[in-house]
Amino acid sequence: GNSVTQMEGPVTLSEEAFLTINCTYTATGYPSLFWYVQYPGEGLQLLLKATKADDKGSNKGFEATYRKETTSFHLEKGSVQVSDSAVYFCALSDPTDSWGKLQFGAGTQVVVTP
Amino acid sequence: SAVISQKPSRDICQRGTSLTIQCQVDSQVTMMFWYRQQPGQSLTLIATANQGSEATYESGFVIDKFPISRPNLTFSTLTVSNMSPEDSSIYLCSVPLGGKHVYGYTFGSGTRLTVV
Repeated sequence: GNSVTQMEGPVTLSEEAFLTINCTYTATGYPSLFWYVQYPGEGLQLLLKATKADDKGSNKGFEATYRKETTSFHLEKGSVQVSDSAVYFCALSDPTDSWGKLQFGAGTQVVVTP
Repeated sequence: SAVISQKPSRDICQRGTSLTIQCQVDSQVTMMFWYRQQPGQSLTLIATANQGSEATYESGFVIDKFPISRPNLTFSTLTVSNMSPEDSSIYLCSVPLGGKHVYGYTFGSGTRLTVV
């Protein structure tokens, strides 16, 4: 079946540091890939997405590239801010499901200190 | 993209009681999805709700425990029945962005449920 594996947290960084959160997936076919962010006490927000191999999703300074050869979709940001403190979820949409049900990774908590 | 209003935002309930969570979408959507997020965990899909038909439940979730209504294309409810402390979670509804899953999904703000 489909699965998403992302690095465990918490990841603690200083402001302006470089952030990488690793995400790898297993899927039959060609899923769409997503990163969602959950700020403290809030629901999920779509951060970025990629729908095919070599696509790069980007938003708010975050980037992730769909790597089919390594089945990865790592999230990166060059200079984090305290406001980036949140839980980040990597997810894929099931390519065998007509509505592309989402499969989430376990989530990675990121803590950015001043 | 669709905007979802979910309520209540939080509640504290006695064990053995039931709570109904509502999601209102500002546009018509065919499919709505209900998720559970247990404390410190990821999201798990409970069921898919299609207007005019019975909801489709994922493994480990049953209609008697989590009845869902989908009376029209903009509204759905999830009831958590006969609650126990193990049901303490955040419950979220979700719809596809732009009506297509490849665009991603938007989520309600969640209902934080505590069962005592």
